[in-house]
Amino acid sequence: ETGVTQTPRHLVMGMTNKKSLKCEQHLGHNAMYWYKQSAKKPLELMFVYSLEERVENNSVPSRFSPECPNSSHLFLHLHTLQPEDSALYLCASSQVWTSGTYEQYFGPGTRLTVT
Amino acid sequence: TQLLEQSPQFLSIQEGENLTVYCNSSSVFSSLQWYRQEPGEGPVLLVTVVTGGEVKKLKRLTFQFGDARKDSSLHITAAQPGDTGLYLCAGGETSGSRLTFGEGTQLTVNP
Repeated sequence: ETGVTQTPRHLVMGMTNKKSLKCEQHLGHNAMYWYKQSAKKPLELMFVYSLEERVENNSVPSRFSPECPNSSHLFLHLHTLQPEDSALYLCASSQVWTSGTYEQYFGPGTRLTVT
Repeated sequence: TQLLEQSPQFLSIQEGENLTVYCNSSSVFSSLQWYRQEPGEGPVLLVTVVTGGEVKKLKRLTFQFGDARKDSSLHITAAQPGDTGLYLCAGGETSGSRLTFGEGTQLTVNP
């Protein structure tokens, strides 16, 4: 496997279900990100992990819970979601330097539908 | 908060035409990236520019970073239907771990 992988690619869940999204990066990067992309809306940054510590949480509802067990893996745990949470969820990784951040590499995304 | 404005938001052209997409900000960025995204897929990195005034070419695509590192442009020559997609610009902060993304330009190239 190369780059950034995400599983599952598609997920349909009811509002009372609990599910998890998984992301794995094979690039040796030290930062990982979760984004939400809704139809006709710009990318929304949800969470940032740098060196396995959460450094940013952009007012995301508590029904979304991230986990970063090591620098290569990132999870997004989902529970009691709402229909408006249906979107494409993208994971990305990057190498963060003292001089700043350069390119991010994205996974293919998980298309989530909440019924 | 840093903002990146992309223009135009939507562009529909005929195969063979040229086009330019713009990405502007009042903030200085350490780097600027351009991505292309197809429906249902993640954005794919096209190029990174880091030096003010830098120009990079990728086949029919020409990318330029402004002298002051606040803006960028993407020019496509002789567009083809395969160029269709959402083009996103993103600026790297001078410190920290974030990229600031523009809202994107949806390009459609008709055969």
